[in-house]
Amino acid sequence: GAGVSQSPRYKVAKRGQDVALRCDPISGHVSLFWYQQALGQGPEFLTYFQNEAQLDKSGLPSDRFFAERPEGSVSTLKIQRTQQEDSAVYLCASSSRLAGGRGTDTQYFGPGTRLTVL
Amino acid sequence: AQKITQTQPGMFVQEKEAVTLDCTYDTSDPSYGLFWYKQPSSGEMIFLIYQGSYDQQNATEGRYSLNFQKARKSANLVISASQLGDSAMYFCAMSELDRGSTLGRLYFGRGTQLTVWP
Repeated sequence: GAGVSQSPRYKVAKRGQDVALRCDPISGHVSLFWYQQALGQGPEFLTYFQNEAQLDKSGLPSDRFFAERPEGSVSTLKIQRTQQEDSAVYLCASSSRLAGGRGTDTQYFGPGTRLTVL
Repeated sequence: AQKITQTQPGMFVQEKEAVTLDCTYDTSDPSYGLFWYKQPSSGEMIFLIYQGSYDQQNATEGRYSLNFQKARKSANLVISASQLGDSAMYFCAMSELDRGSTLGRLYFGRGTQLTVWP
């Protein structure tokens, strides 16, 4: 596709439910990032994939959060046993270059998934 | 310590006037990239402009320019000839390029809400 797509755009979950958020990066982009944006805040880094390898998951707030990118394209962020503090917008971004290569590369963001946990 | 500081929660500008949005950053990495993103109320994060730490000249993209003052660690965004459609939240972000464990991730400020009035 032309840009990064995410689904669903909105998700309402009852506390304790598991949710899965999907990200389709720009075709051919090797780097994929997940960010969490709480209301009124800037996005916070969650995790980074280089192709199918998850190279950095230091931003995941708890072991209830899990991300995968098994074939190096589509990624899924899963949250188990959701809590109210998980309510946020989850943004996915992709870029065409390997992170850390000489010269950085722009990250292009999807529209986000707004998760509300009741 | 905050890596990105945006001290203006809100800014107002009249249509067709220029406006400067402030951003200061903190890093000891000699190689880094600075970004500005626009986030309208619809939620998507739109890339505006990029400045590399080794770039000699200030970046420009159409009506956007980045006033990069390396010694002061500031990267202010200047929007010339403001338009009503420029009303949005604006985020400054930084990527450190030499730190192995944080390669690629973007650090965001808290944003500045810009309102353009007729």
